[in-house]
Amino acid sequence: DAGVTQSPTHLIKTRGQQVTLRCSPISGHKSVSWYQQVLGQGPQFIFQYYEKEERGRGNFPDRFSARQFPNYSSELNVNALLLGDSALYLCASQKNTAPNYGYTFGSGTRLTVV
Amino acid sequence: AQSVAQPEDQVNVAEGNPLTVKCTYSVSGNPYLFWYVQYPNRGLQFLLKYITGDNLVKGSYGFEAEFNKSQTSFHLKKPSALVSDSALYFCAVRGPLGSSNTGKLIFGQGTTLQVKP
Repeated sequence: DAGVTQSPTHLIKTRGQQVTLRCSPISGHKSVSWYQQVLGQGPQFIFQYYEKEERGRGNFPDRFSARQFPNYSSELNVNALLLGDSALYLCASQKNTAPNYGYTFGSGTRLTVV
Repeated sequence: AQSVAQPEDQVNVAEGNPLTVKCTYSVSGNPYLFWYVQYPNRGLQFLLKYITGDNLVKGSYGFEAEFNKSQTSFHLKKPSALVSDSALYFCAVRGPLGSSNTGKLIFGQGTTLQVKP
């Protein structure tokens, strides 16, 4: 089975632009979460979606939005990019939201804002 | 609020020696704890988790972790380190059950493990 797939792997954007990042979870997994990892820090929670509904939101501005599709894939959108949005964006897949289920992470999308 | 702390930015060990990477936690309710490893320019790889049960949890690649409720610690250990274990290690705790963010993971700042030949 394929793992968690994220695309693109790298991209460079200019301040003020918009970006869309994509994530395909493991087959059969219904929950997708997004994390931002700034260089030298631990990942920070952005969103969790389960069955196409938002189940959690971290402390990020409204420029960040996400959605989950019927096939459980997900997109993260960031508007009006700032230099500080440069980071590794990680997607995590989970079978469901029960506490005993683990999280499987993708390899991430490296976003550089110039 | 849930939180984890990794008190060491870097741990250096010689190959073949035992290693310990420290983690302490603060939670309301029962803790759900995780260890992940990250190699350069890669995502996070799951090592092990503690949900309930035995205090000694065995995980991938020969790693194990000891849950200590009285000391609120969840230290990662390996009896014999390999050079290939050199990476960035993260401890994480799940958000509080019953809250709007119960499904999120809260990560520590990470500990760089350097294993010298």
